[in-house]
Amino acid sequence: AQSVTQLGSHVSVSEGALVLLRCNYSSSVPPYLFWYVQYPNQGLQLLLKYTSAATLVKGINGFEAEFKKSETSFHLTKPSAHMSDAAEYFCAVSDASGTYKYIFGTGTRLKVLA
Amino acid sequence: DGGITQSPKYLFRKEGQNVTLSCEQNLNHDAMYWYRQDPGQGLRLIYYSQIVNDFQKGDIAEGYSVSREKKESFPLTVTSAQKNPTAFYLCASSIESLGTDTQYFGPGTRLTVL
Repeated sequence: AQSVTQLGSHVSVSEGALVLLRCNYSSSVPPYLFWYVQYPNQGLQLLLKYTSAATLVKGINGFEAEFKKSETSFHLTKPSAHMSDAAEYFCAVSDASGTYKYIFGTGTRLKVLA
Repeated sequence: DGGITQSPKYLFRKEGQNVTLSCEQNLNHDAMYWYRQDPGQGLRLIYYSQIVNDFQKGDIAEGYSVSREKKESFPLTVTSAQKNPTAFYLCASSIESLGTDTQYFGPGTRLTVL
C-alpha cells in the first residue's frame, strides 16, 4: 500500500531564508509524486510533479523538488522565502499500476517571518 | 477561462437535512473526484468517477452519494446518515484517471452543521 509522510505540521522560516518541506513516501511500484499548495479557504494548486523523468523537478513560484529513490523522499525547496509563500503544502503519491488514486500527506503549514 | 467551479462557497445545514454540493468543470475532463478535508488529516477521497454514468466509492463514502449524468457535472449529496459532516469539501478533475494525470481542484465548499 502507498503512503506519504510529511515531517513537521508547522514550519517557520524568515523571509529570504531557505524553505525545506519534507515528504517521504512508501510505494511498492514506481511512484508519481506531486506537491500542491493551498491558501486559506481555497482549493489546491499544483506546484510540481514527478513522473519518472528528471529527478530534479522545477515548479512554479521558484519551488523545486528532488526525487531520491534511495531515501524514498521528495522534499520541496525554495532558495529564498517570500511572504506570499505562507500557505499549507501537501505532498501526494500516485502510480500508474491501475490504482490512480492520490494518497495525500497531512500537510505542512509554512509561516514566513518578516 | 477553463476551470472548476463549486457552489456554494459556504453552506450551513441543520442536523437531519440532506444537502447537495455542486461541482462543474469546463475542462473536458473525463475523471472527477470528491475529497473531504479536515484539519490535520489531509485530503480523503469520498467518491470518484472515471466516466459519465459511472462512479465508485472512495475511502470514506458512507453517508454520501453522487451522480454523474453529464461529463461536466459531479454533484455530491451529504445525507443525514453522515455522522460528522462539518468539513471543507473539494472537487477535482483530471483528463483521465491515470496515476500520472494531474488533478485540478475547485475552490471548495465549507459545510457547517448547526
